[in-house]
Amino acid sequence: QKEVEQNSGPLSVPEGAIASLNCTYSDRGSQSFFWYRQYSGKSPELIMFIYSNGDKEDGRFTAQLNKASQYVSLLIRDSQPSDSATYLCAVNLFGNEKLTFGTGTRLTIIP
Amino acid sequence: EAQVTQNPRYLITVTGKKLTVTCSQNMNHEYMSWYRQDPGLGLRQIYYSMNVEVTDKGDVPEGYKVSRKEKRNFPLILESPSPNQTSLYFCASRFGSSYNEQFFGPGTRLTVL
Repeated sequence: QKEVEQNSGPLSVPEGAIASLNCTYSDRGSQSFFWYRQYSGKSPELIMFIYSNGDKEDGRFTAQLNKASQYVSLLIRDSQPSDSATYLCAVNLFGNEKLTFGTGTRLTIIP
Repeated sequence: EAQVTQNPRYLITVTGKKLTVTCSQNMNHEYMSWYRQDPGLGLRQIYYSMNVEVTDKGDVPEGYKVSRKEKRNFPLILESPSPNQTSLYFCASRFGSSYNEQFFGPGTRLTVL
């Protein structure tokens, strides 16, 4: 089992709809969770991080964490064509320098 | 402007020819890391450094070396490159122990023939 799993997609969502991206992780000791956005040919850019169970909102983005079920998700409301990118989930153990990434989900917003 | 720079951005080389990819940050960050990104495998950490003269292995350190003699620089050294090291490499830095403010460099695309 991979440490961090994401559906590779592509995930196609109509403009204005909600895009839902999911990530599961295997290590129950994981404590920090990150979502990065990566445009084609560019470097990853951190867009959200979450440490506690529940929801965390930042503008159009909401990260959701459920430690009991070992999943973290990212919701993008009012999706825009500029949201088309690959979204990387990453997980970190507290006090551990290792940051483990999923393989990413490619999201396409259809105008 | 706060940034992480990498050089070169593109490199084509041959098996066995030593090379160095430089990484520099101007944010006085303590933590720096090197990653490689491969299709279907995602980003994998090669080496990281928590401060000057403090480095440690990540998930895929074989075939790579690093050094941290100055806070701002963290070069990645391939002593004898092989074709399986063909990849996209990213350097990253952050101030504290948390990854919530990690900045990536623009990437170096390396091809080893």
